[in-house]
Amino acid sequence: QKEVEQDPGPLSVPEGAIVSLNCTYSNSAFQYFMWYRQYSRKGPELLMYTYSSGNKEDGRFTAQVDKSSKYISLFIRDSQPSDSATYLCAILYSGAGSYQLTFGKGTKLSVIP
Amino acid sequence: GAGVSQSPSNKVTEKGKDVELRCDPISGHTALYWYRQSLGQGLEFLIYFQGNSAPDKSGLPSDRFSAERTGGSVSTLTIQRTQQEDSAVYLCASSPSPGTPYEQYFGPGTRLTVT
Repeated sequence: QKEVEQDPGPLSVPEGAIVSLNCTYSNSAFQYFMWYRQYSRKGPELLMYTYSSGNKEDGRFTAQVDKSSKYISLFIRDSQPSDSATYLCAILYSGAGSYQLTFGKGTKLSVIP
Repeated sequence: GAGVSQSPSNKVTEKGKDVELRCDPISGHTALYWYRQSLGQGLEFLIYFQGNSAPDKSGLPSDRFSAERTGGSVSTLTIQRTQQEDSAVYLCASSPSPGTPYEQYFGPGTRLTVT
């Protein structure tokens, strides 16, 4: 059973649309929730992290966590062509003196001008 | 400031050869992580360093893989007797301290191709 599930897409939207990206997870011991953006042939870039249920906003990006449903989302408002990338959710497990990020497989997003 | 750097950016090697991949973390970051990203497999955790010690090596796929970190800075991932299934992008990340594992900054990766 995979610990983090993410729809791989691809997802194609027109410029200006609101984008919703989602992940589900199975391990309730997960503590932190992150979203990364990865452009082709580049390393992942940290967008946002949060640890509590609810919303966290940063500019056009909003991260939402629902721990009761084990569901996390990233919303992108007023999407731009420069947002075209693969978006990875990542969830942090902490225990026994170690930390381990478990990643979703990523959703490829294309924003069409 | 400078981000995480990795070298080489690309490496092509023959099956059975050993390879060394290098990671330079962000200056002052004490925690360092290695991941592997394969097509269709997503990002896979390999090993975590806290300073020069590696409290968690559980992600290393076999004993052909090893890693070390010296001076609390540069890290090297070594793959011995490479196999074709080792072909992947190897990513390194660092975070300011072991207490901030949610804030990892990634390098550009080393693309390894085993022929």
